Amino acid sequence: EPEVTQTPSHQVTQMGQEVILRCVPISNHLYFYWYRQILGQKVEFLVSFYNNEISEKSEIFDDQFSVERPDGSNFTLKIRSTKLEDSAMYFCASSVETQYFGPGTRLLVL
Amino acid sequence: GENVEQHPSTLSVQEGDSAVIKCTYSDSASNYFPWYKQELGKGPQLIIDIRSNVGEKKDQRIAVTLNKTAKHFSLHITETQPEDSAVYFCAAKAGRTSYGKLTFGQGTILTVHP
Repeated sequence: EPEVTQTPSHQVTQMGQEVILRCVPISNHLYFYWYRQILGQKVEFLVSFYNNEISEKSEIFDDQFSVERPDGSNFTLKIRSTKLEDSAMYFCASSVETQYFGPGTRLLVL
Repeated sequence: GENVEQHPSTLSVQEGDSAVIKCTYSDSASNYFPWYKQELGKGPQLIIDIRSNVGEKKDQRIAVTLNKTAKHFSLHITETQPEDSAVYFCAAKAGRTSYGKLTFGQGTILTVHP
């Protein structure tokens, strides 16, 4: 069964550093998403992406965040200058209709 | 914006018993309500969903009910098995489609004791 994959599974970085989280959505899907889950809190929507542009973003998704689909298969989330509060599990999802989630990248900012 | 509240936060049952998890939502425009199961080290996996034109949906041991007037929906698992142990999330989405922003509840840790 096709699945969403994410790399790396874990990432440790220093505050102020840039990180890029990578996702390979399911191949025939058209919509792509990033969500995050801070430990002990709800899964929160960050951004959705369709037709090579952002279709919706949350208040969390400020100028420090960007998304890109650099080729036909990858979908990336970049955090330009990480803060301690960016530490969370980041989930990528893709859909035609139903959203399918990847296993997540655990980001720890020190 | 939409707010989804989920209860209980933890639920412990004996194998074979039923488990019920409840969610309420705030936005009357929400029309799509999926339930996800998350096992350790994995991402959320869709187990069942319901749209607002339907009051109940069943898939083997899993059922979801929706009360649009009261703005709540529930997950029912019958004949629970140890492999049902996981974190369960409800979510809601405005609009008729299932693509777009999902708003999640807090999650319920379900433990099924053999």
